[in-house]
Amino acid sequence: GDSVTQMEGPVTLSEEAFLTINCTYTATGYPSLFWYVQYPGEGLQLLLKATKADDKGSNKGFEATYRKETTSFHLEKGSVQVSDSAVYFCALAENNNNDMRFGAGTRLTVKP
Amino acid sequence: DAMVIQNPRYQVTQFGKPVTLSCSQTLNHNVMYWYQQKSSQAPKLLFHYYDKDFNNEADTPDNFQSRRPNTSFCFLDIRSPGLGDAAMYLCATSRERAASYNEQFFGPGTRLTVL
Repeated sequence: GDSVTQMEGPVTLSEEAFLTINCTYTATGYPSLFWYVQYPGEGLQLLLKATKADDKGSNKGFEATYRKETTSFHLEKGSVQVSDSAVYFCALAENNNNDMRFGAGTRLTVKP
Repeated sequence: DAMVIQNPRYQVTQFGKPVTLSCSQTLNHNVMYWYQQKSSQAPKLLFHYYDKDFNNEADTPDNFQSRRPNTSFCFLDIRSPGLGDAAMYLCATSRERAASYNEQFFGPGTRLTVL
């Protein structure tokens, strides 16, 4: 079945460092791909999405490109801030399917 | 602000004692979901309601039930909690199904402890 694998955390970075969180997927069709973020004490929030190959999702300085050839959707940010400390979840959904599959989450801590 | 609210945020129950978790939404969305998230694992969909239509995932244990008395509220009932049911329970909503096109909005979760 469909699944998502993301890099294990925790990830600890200094402020203004470059961030990459790897995400790869397995799917039978052509899914949409998502990154969700969960700040401390809050629910998951959609960060960005991409619905087809080569699409780039972006929001709040974060970017991820849908790479069909490598079945990947890695999350990147050029310069992280302390306020980016959160848990990040990669997810996929097959088109016209009700089911969203999440990765296990990667905890990011950014130190001043 | 429109939102998804879960009560309580923390719930402690005893082994075998029924427990109910609550979710409400002000978004007027058609679909409500319940996910189970165990420590350091991915959220796992238990079931969802599309309006009053209940949809159970194939591997959701019978011990888990749900009720949706109206558009705004959805309840998760665990009939006989076991130690393995200790987890974070996440409620989410979306305007329509088709997860690839309809953003899911999540509540903050209820952390269930089973003693």
